Amino acid sequence: EPEVTQTPSHQVTQMGQEVILRCVPISNHLYFYWYRQILGQKVEFLVSFYNNEISEKSEIFDDQFSVERPDGSNFTLKIRSTKLEDSAMYFCASSDPGQPFNQPQHFGDGTRLSIL
Amino acid sequence: AQKITQTQPGMFVQEKEAVTLDCTYDTSDQSYGLFWYKQPSSGEMIFLIYQGSYDEQNATEGRYSLNFQKARKSANLVISASQLGDSAMYFCAMREGQTGGFKTIFGAGTRLFVKA
Repeated sequence: EPEVTQTPSHQVTQMGQEVILRCVPISNHLYFYWYRQILGQKVEFLVSFYNNEISEKSEIFDDQFSVERPDGSNFTLKIRSTKLEDSAMYFCASSDPGQPFNQPQHFGDGTRLSIL
Repeated sequence: AQKITQTQPGMFVQEKEAVTLDCTYDTSDQSYGLFWYKQPSSGEMIFLIYQGSYDEQNATEGRYSLNFQKARKSANLVISASQLGDSAMYFCAMREGQTGGFKTIFGAGTRLFVKA
């Protein structure tokens, strides 16, 4: 079964540095998402991406964050000037074409980001 | 206001018994989808089951079934014949078709412990 793959599985970064989290969505999916989960808390929506542009973003997704689909397969989340509170599990997800609300999002295994 | 409410932070169930995990939701949309995800201790998000707002029959997927009561805005997950491997965090989630954009909104989760 096709999978969403995320790299790296664990990223350790010094506070203030930039980090890029990478994702390869399922190949025929058209909608892409980033979520984050601070340890022990609920999963929070960050941003959705469709047709090469951001379709929606949450209040968490401020100027510190950006997303990009640099080629036909990768989908990246860049976090600039990382802060301690950016430490979390970051999930990439993708979903099928068609009505988005009735399609499950398939999640990658996540990247655990630790800011020191 | 919370869009997804899971009132059980933790649940215990004896192996081979059935267990119901509660979920209520709040939306004014007519078109929406309800989802359940499982998150084992390893951290990945596993899609379990989906229920559409227009579906008249309760969704079933193997040992998982969704008890959908639209008027009460509840979408409880029923796991039959619990197994030790079912011990995990379970998240109820919703996507709204008209006003919600593409994002999935998650509840706070219920941690299920299956006892041998």
